[in-house]
Amino acid sequence: GAGVSQTPSNKVTEKGKYVELRCDPISGHTALYWYRQSLGQGPEFLIYFQGTGAADDSGLPNDRFFAVRPEGSVSTLKIQRTERGDSAVYLCASSLNGLNTEAFFGQGTRLTVV
Amino acid sequence: AQSVTQPDIHITVSEGASLELRCNYSYGATPYLFWYVQSPGQGLQLLLKYFSGDTLVQGIKGFEAEFKRSQSSFNLRKPSVHWSDAAEYFCAVGGGSQGNLIFGKGTKLSVKP
Repeated sequence: GAGVSQTPSNKVTEKGKYVELRCDPISGHTALYWYRQSLGQGPEFLIYFQGTGAADDSGLPNDRFFAVRPEGSVSTLKIQRTERGDSAVYLCASSLNGLNTEAFFGQGTRLTVV
Repeated sequence: AQSVTQPDIHITVSEGASLELRCNYSYGATPYLFWYVQSPGQGLQLLLKYFSGDTLVQGIKGFEAEFKRSQSSFNLRKPSVHWSDAAEYFCAVGGGSQGNLIFGKGTKLSVKP
């Protein structure tokens, strides 16, 4: 596609449930990032992929959060046992190769945990 | 610790007036600096970036920013604001080997007729 695509655009789930958020990066981009943006805040880094591997997952808040990118393209962010505090907009970005290249952002998935 | 501070949470300017949005950063090495704009329901769009060279950087939509190392600042400016510039603006710093960004909390810009 022409840009970074994230699905779903909105997700409402009950506390304790499991959710998956999908990111389809720009074709050919090897670097992929997940950020979380809470209300009134700037985006906060969660995890970075270079190809298929998670090069830096230092931003993941706890072990309920996990992300994969098995074929080096589409990535899925997985959240187990969701909590109300997980409610936020989850942003995905991709760039050509990471360092010194522009990151293009998707429109985000708004997750609401009720 | 690396951080970005945007001191102004909300700014209102009149259409046609000039604009300056402030950004200060704390970063141990040579920073890569960015300004993004986020309109309601839209993704983040890059306005401009500074990696090296000329400290006055031109971006899209008539925006510019100046890197001042001595002040650890990267303020965004526009000489004449348009109503369509109303949005939230984020300053970010990067430079690690991964390219991940540290964002400020954003400045919301309102434009009055």
